[in-house]
Amino acid sequence: GDSVTQMEGPVTLSEEAFLTINCTYTATGYPSLFWYVQYPGEGLQLLLKATKADDKGSNKGFEATYRKETTSFHLEKGSVQVSDSAVYFCALSHRDDKIIFGKGTRLHILP
Amino acid sequence: GAGVSQSPSNKVTEKGKDVELRCDPISGHTALYWYRQSLGQGLEFLIYFQGNSAPDKSGLPSDRFSAERTGGSVSTLTIQRTQQEDSAVYLCASSVPGGGDEQFFGPGTRLTVL
Repeated sequence: GDSVTQMEGPVTLSEEAFLTINCTYTATGYPSLFWYVQYPGEGLQLLLKATKADDKGSNKGFEATYRKETTSFHLEKGSVQVSDSAVYFCALSHRDDKIIFGKGTRLHILP
Repeated sequence: GAGVSQSPSNKVTEKGKDVELRCDPISGHTALYWYRQSLGQGLEFLIYFQGNSAPDKSGLPSDRFSAERTGGSVSTLTIQRTQQEDSAVYLCASSVPGGGDEQFFGPGTRLTVL
């Protein structure tokens, strides 16, 4: 079945550092890919998405590119802030179907 | 506009008791999903509703779990004879079919089974 694998956390960085959270997937067909974020004490929010190969999703300075040849969707941000501290989930979904999530990566940003 | 709402926000129960968790989706969203978030298992799919029917129940972990949806809106997830391993945050999400696959999540119900 379909699955998502993302790097284990926690990841601890200093403010203004470059962030990469790796994500790879296994899926039949052409799923949509997502990054969801869960801030402390808050619900799950969609951060960005990409629906086809070579699409780049972006939001709040975060980016991820749908790479079909490497089955990857790595999350990047050039300069992280303390407010980016959260748990990040990579995920995939086929049209009108359930979301399959990775295990999540906890990110701590130090001032 | 209102988002997805869930109630209660927290529920503490004793082992063996039954619990009901409620989800109010965004108005007009015909698709509704239940997920469970637990420390050991991450985020797991439980069940999917399209309107009042459930074409995918494959994630329900046992026959103690059931869900229904009425009027194409509110959904209730029922756990009978709760066990300690049922302790988790239960999340509900809704979406518009053909709406770009985005699901909107509620704040969750934290269930603790003592």
